[in-house]
Amino acid sequence: DAGVTQSPTHLIKTRGQQVTLRCSPKSGHDTVSWYQQALGQGPQFIFQYYEEEERQRGNFPDRFSGHQFPNYSSELNVNALLLGDSALYLCASSSKREPYNEQFFGPGTRLTVL
Amino acid sequence: GQNIDQPTEMTATEGAIVQINCTYQTSGFNGLFWYQQHAGEAPTFLSYNVLDGLEEKGRFSSFLSRSKGYSYLLLKELQMKDSASYLCAVMTTDSWGKLQFGAGTQVVVTP
Repeated sequence: DAGVTQSPTHLIKTRGQQVTLRCSPKSGHDTVSWYQQALGQGPQFIFQYYEEEERQRGNFPDRFSGHQFPNYSSELNVNALLLGDSALYLCASSSKREPYNEQFFGPGTRLTVL
Repeated sequence: GQNIDQPTEMTATEGAIVQINCTYQTSGFNGLFWYQQHAGEAPTFLSYNVLDGLEEKGRFSSFLSRSKGYSYLLLKELQMKDSASYLCAVMTTDSWGKLQFGAGTQVVVTP
């Protein structure tokens, strides 16, 4: 059973460009959350998708947007990239059927903005 | 919002015990999680506490006091592979599935 997968693993972009990151949730999970983790910090919640809609959003600007597909996979889009967007982007999947509301994390995408 | 505080770094020797404290301020508390994260890797689930008391799972134990807004993760019989960042995270009743993380505690295990 595959866990949470993310692509690409690493990405280098320049300021002002746009980027799309992808996530496939763990089998049986229907909820996907995205987090941004700067170096030396804990992950910060960006937003969460369930039933193809954004259900919760953290304190991130509108440059950060997302989408969830009928197969529960998800994309994170970031427009007009800034140097400060350089971080590890983590996807977490979950389901109300999981005990503890446990979030299962993917390996992340390391984004570097030059 | 929530404030979640944990020490930045702790060092201990192999075979020893280390206790990582976490304090939080939140409304609508709905559980506290501990995750382990090795450098450049995904966080992996260690424990979950929602009621007061101690949860033991092998070499790792986690304690919660809701009235004090306090938790600790206890790592016993430390091994070199336990060198990692340990993240404390809180979930609230109005935000199912959304974790609020502390900055993490880097544990360094020395021979």
